[in-house]
Amino acid sequence: EAGVTQFPSHSVIEKGQTVTLRCDPISGHDNLYWYRRVMGKEIKFLLHFVKESKQDESGMPNNRFLAERTGGTYSTLKVQPAELEDSGVYFCASSLRRGRRYNEQFFGPGTRLTVL
Amino acid sequence: DAKTTQPNSMESNEEEPVHLPCNHSTISGTDYIHWYRQLPSQGPEYVIHGLTSNVNNRMASLAIAEDRKSSTLILHRATLRDAAVYYCILRDVNGGATNKLIFGTGTLLAVQP
Repeated sequence: EAGVTQFPSHSVIEKGQTVTLRCDPISGHDNLYWYRRVMGKEIKFLLHFVKESKQDESGMPNNRFLAERTGGTYSTLKVQPAELEDSGVYFCASSLRRGRRYNEQFFGPGTRLTVL
Repeated sequence: DAKTTQPNSMESNEEEPVHLPCNHSTISGTDYIHWYRQLPSQGPEYVIHGLTSNVNNRMASLAIAEDRKSSTLILHRATLRDAAVYYCILRDVNGGATNKLIFGTGTLLAVQP
């Protein structure tokens, strides 16, 4: 089966610009998560969708970050305006809601964001 | 979520077993023990999980202490491809709890040829 895909793989933008990251989960996975690792720190949870609904957005750092998952398929994470401290790697993961493997989160390769 | 403690780094020789320890002394009764690993330049990858009993799968084995305050991930024959950061994560799967994973610093495993 196709894995989680993320686009772009790299993005370099200037401070104050807008960037939109996209994540395509594994087909049939209702759960979709966003995580990020900034400045060499630990990977941190951002938010969790169940289909198109936000189940948990406790990790979103501030209102410059907007995540959407219209139709419950792919998701976008928009950063507007981007700041220097937003630089890092943004990971998307997906998982089933039920079944034998529902505990497993499948991660994409990440999008490396550099804000200059 | 309960915290876990892992050594910062470990070394192993190729084709030898590797035992990666994890302490979780404040684990609750509904916490599952998950292990993920992150290969260089890739996203994290699920390895194994368990609750009370030892678990085996094609990638590894998970040995859980009787009091559940510690666990050990066992790679039976390390290969160069197993060089990665290994994360031990507790996840409360009690009804309604969030599914989020809380990553620590993990253990960086180096495998020598």
